[in-house]
Amino acid sequence: EVQLVESGGGLVQPGGSLRLSCVASGFTFSGNWMSWVRQAPGKGLEWVASIKPDGSEKYYVDSVKARFTISRDNAKNSVFLQINSLRAEDTAIYYCAWGGSQQLTSWGQGTLVTVSS
Amino acid sequence: QSALTQPASVSGSPGQSITISCTGTSSDVGSYNLVSWYQQLPGKAPKLMIYQVTKRPSGVSNRFSGSKSGNTASLTISGLQAEDEADYYCCSYTSSSTLVFGGGTKLTVL
Repeated sequence: EVQLVESGGGLVQPGGSLRLSCVASGFTFSGNWMSWVRQAPGKGLEWVASIKPDGSEKYYVDSVKARFTISRDNAKNSVFLQINSLRAEDTAIYYCAWGGSQQLTSWGQGTLVTVSS
Repeated sequence: QSALTQPASVSGSPGQSITISCTGTSSDVGSYNLVSWYQQLPGKAPKLMIYQVTKRPSGVSNRFSGSKSGNTASLTISGLQAEDEADYYCCSYTSSSTLVFGGGTKLTVL
């Protein structure tokens, strides 16, 4: 059974930082793209970033470039999202997903990031 | 990176068929057979329903089908059931090697 478990969300002040983590199981993590997708309260899905299996290629939505960094540790079956210079509009549930360019096959339950003073 | 265009809402009665459209551009939907559809029940994570335009993952009902013509992809649900009531999102790969979602469609089963 595929499982994706996110952690690291919380309440943070504007301008602050967080590191989101996602631990995967049930599939060959090191051979697959991984992605992060977010959903603001009451809004739709927004793709945030994807990373190639070996970590050599990373892609981001324009609105987070230079502030967010996706990375992975294949030895620990984990993918991360470092989010810096947080803004109110970054408030959202952040989902980790198995997949990249083709489809997002399986999703975690998400971790909530709230940016507020 | 403009969002794909979906109708905000659609509705149908049990047993009927409905179709949700998803319009993009020649830089995304029109250029790649990499359109996927996701179902999101209230308070839940999204679930993959269709991938690569027409393919169904194992376990997804054959009442769900996908198609594409030009820059527009479509999701059709036949034999509508109460349990199909959810939000549906399309997603496409783009020429920038990114992904883009549609704004989402709320399906109401009358």
